[in-house]
Amino acid sequence: DAGVTQSPTHLIKTRGQQVTLRCSPKSGHDTVSWYQQALGQGPQFIFQYYEEEERQRGNFPDRFSGHQFPNYSSELNVNALLLGDSALYLCASSYSGDTQYFGPGTRLTVL
Amino acid sequence: SQQGEEDPQALSIQEGENATMNCSYKTSINNLQWYRQNSGRGLVHLILIRSNEREKHSGRLRVTLDTSKKSSSLLITASRAADTASYFCATAGYSGGGADGLTFGKGTHLIIQP
Repeated sequence: DAGVTQSPTHLIKTRGQQVTLRCSPKSGHDTVSWYQQALGQGPQFIFQYYEEEERQRGNFPDRFSGHQFPNYSSELNVNALLLGDSALYLCASSYSGDTQYFGPGTRLTVL
Repeated sequence: SQQGEEDPQALSIQEGENATMNCSYKTSINNLQWYRQNSGRGLVHLILIRSNEREKHSGRLRVTLDTSKKSSSLLITASRAADTASYFCATAGYSGGGADGLTFGKGTHLIIQP
């Protein structure tokens, strides 16, 4: 049984560009959450998707948007990249419950 | 902003010793979870304790929760070199159902000396 997968593993972009990160949830899971983890910090909640809609959102600007597809996979889009967006982006999935299972993350570097 | 605060920020012990990490949080919670992270990779779920529970065990792990003090502790017994990692507590609040977005602390970096 595959766990949560994310792509790509690493990504380098320049300021002002746009980026799309992808996540496939664990089999049987219907909820996907995205987190941003800066170096040396704990993850920060960006938003959560359930039934193809954004259900919860953390304190992130509108430059951060997402989507969930009918197969429960999800995308995170970031527009107008800033240097401060450099971080590890983590996706987590769950099934209408409490425990969230995390993927390996996408390391984004903005130059 | 981060709700949880882990203490200590870093801990170095000898293999075989016990390691204790503490977590404090600010608002009411539905549950509290502990995760482990190795070298900036994905987080591994260790244990979940609900707000109406006081103690929970899983293998060499023991977690306690004191909602009156808004604090939790994670005890790892008989530590091994493979336990070297960063440990995070994360809280989930109340919402309309389903799994809430988690609020993490800054973590405790645990080093097990062989």
